[in-house]
Amino acid sequence: LAKTTQPISMDSYEGQEVNITCSHNNIATNDYITWYQQFPSQGPRFIIQGYKTKVTNEVASLFIPADRKSSTLSLPRVSLSDTAVYYCLVGPIKAAGNKLTFGGGTRVLVKP
Amino acid sequence: EAGVAQSPRYKIIEKRQSVAFWCNPISGHATLYWYQQILGQGPKLLIQFQNNGVVDDSQLPKDRFSAERLKGVDSTLKIQPAKLEDSAVYLCASSLAREGNEQFFGPGTRLTVL
Repeated sequence: LAKTTQPISMDSYEGQEVNITCSHNNIATNDYITWYQQFPSQGPRFIIQGYKTKVTNEVASLFIPADRKSSTLSLPRVSLSDTAVYYCLVGPIKAAGNKLTFGGGTRVLVKP
Repeated sequence: EAGVAQSPRYKIIEKRQSVAFWCNPISGHATLYWYQQILGQGPKLLIQFQNNGVVDDSQLPKDRFSAERLKGVDSTLKIQPAKLEDSAVYLCASSLAREGNEQFFGPGTRLTVL
């Protein structure tokens, strides 16, 4: 499984855009990039998943350059409730289920 | 749609005691996972079931940890005997058995071993 590197923590303010970059230099051809969010005392929650270029949903956008060696999760106009740990995961998608390997994540603190 | 249910939410035991955790996945989810999350770290997969069969248990400390998923629905994770380093949150997750699916996590059981 490809190893990922992401910042340990980031601070932001309400209404700003937060961009978290994840490095995955040894990503394999059949690997996907997935982001999860975890609030205190809760289990992680799926945010977004992509393979290349750009993916957007109602919560976030995921930007993946052509070489796929990094990816950026973009959270538009964050609020205090977006304070959480964000995990970047890289690995293949299998019908029998995906083995998720979590790193330390990025702790995002949104200030008023 | 009901989420993944886990019980108990909290458990305090002394070292060398036994403990069991229960998980009820989302209805229809064939794949079930147990993770261990130590404070300040990301979750670590312990075991993955597909229906009632084990897909991956390579990181399960089999000398003290065991898990089963009888009838391919509910699952239990047991620790016997517990050690101090087993203090962690134990998360259960489930997913549909198809490609590109996401994992849905339960609230976890916080275990403290004294």
